[in-house]
Amino acid sequence: SQQGEEDPQALSIQEGENATMNCSYKTSINNLQWYRQNSGRGLVHLILIRSNEREKHSGRLRVTLDTSKKSSSLLITASRAADTASYFCATDSGPFGNNDMRFGAGTRLTVKP
Amino acid sequence: GAVVSQHPSRVICKSGTSVKIECRSLDFQATTMFWYRQFPKQSLMLMATSNEGSKATYEQGVEKDKFLINHASLTLSTLTVTSAHPEDSSFYICSAPGGLGPGLNQPQHFGDGTRLSIL
Repeated sequence: SQQGEEDPQALSIQEGENATMNCSYKTSINNLQWYRQNSGRGLVHLILIRSNEREKHSGRLRVTLDTSKKSSSLLITASRAADTASYFCATDSGPFGNNDMRFGAGTRLTVKP
Repeated sequence: GAVVSQHPSRVICKSGTSVKIECRSLDFQATTMFWYRQFPKQSLMLMATSNEGSKATYEQGVEKDKFLINHASLTLSTLTVTSAHPEDSSFYICSAPGGLGPGLNQPQHFGDGTRLSIL
């Protein structure tokens, strides 16, 4: 069954603007991960944030995690046309970590040049 | 970095054919691999967890006899869609956790997917 739910479902912005995507989930987690998928391709791992972490950065990406609200956000700063893709959050809720990954429906981001 | 190779990338075949998809971890060992199915513009639905040296664990609603999984080595899992029909047409993706040495909370590394079209 689905776990994460992203919103918005679709987001269209101009190059240079920031893009924020949100993810909500329902059960307790070991970690939450964000992935990117270009059309017709596999997923690329962006960031993993553990349940005891609140914020993580990687280049132009910033992820926050609020376990009390069971939500996470992905911020892409200074967006580029090449950032156009679908972005998914996935939660790892298995007893040992690294399993039972559940994906949300994704946010389709379009960055216009 | 850790790489997962999935083959073939595209298959078009007639109804009733069985199709095998391979998923290989190229530079790390994967005792566990995952198989997902994705419909257009939708999320990934976990089909099964492939366990090296033991039986796969299937999600509810996924037919074991339809989707045969074999994980005979630490770097290879295969998914065979038996007697495929048009409704089995979809995008199938595998993944494997790891690549960051020992420990939990590893990222998933995905293959590039296999687009299966059954005529």
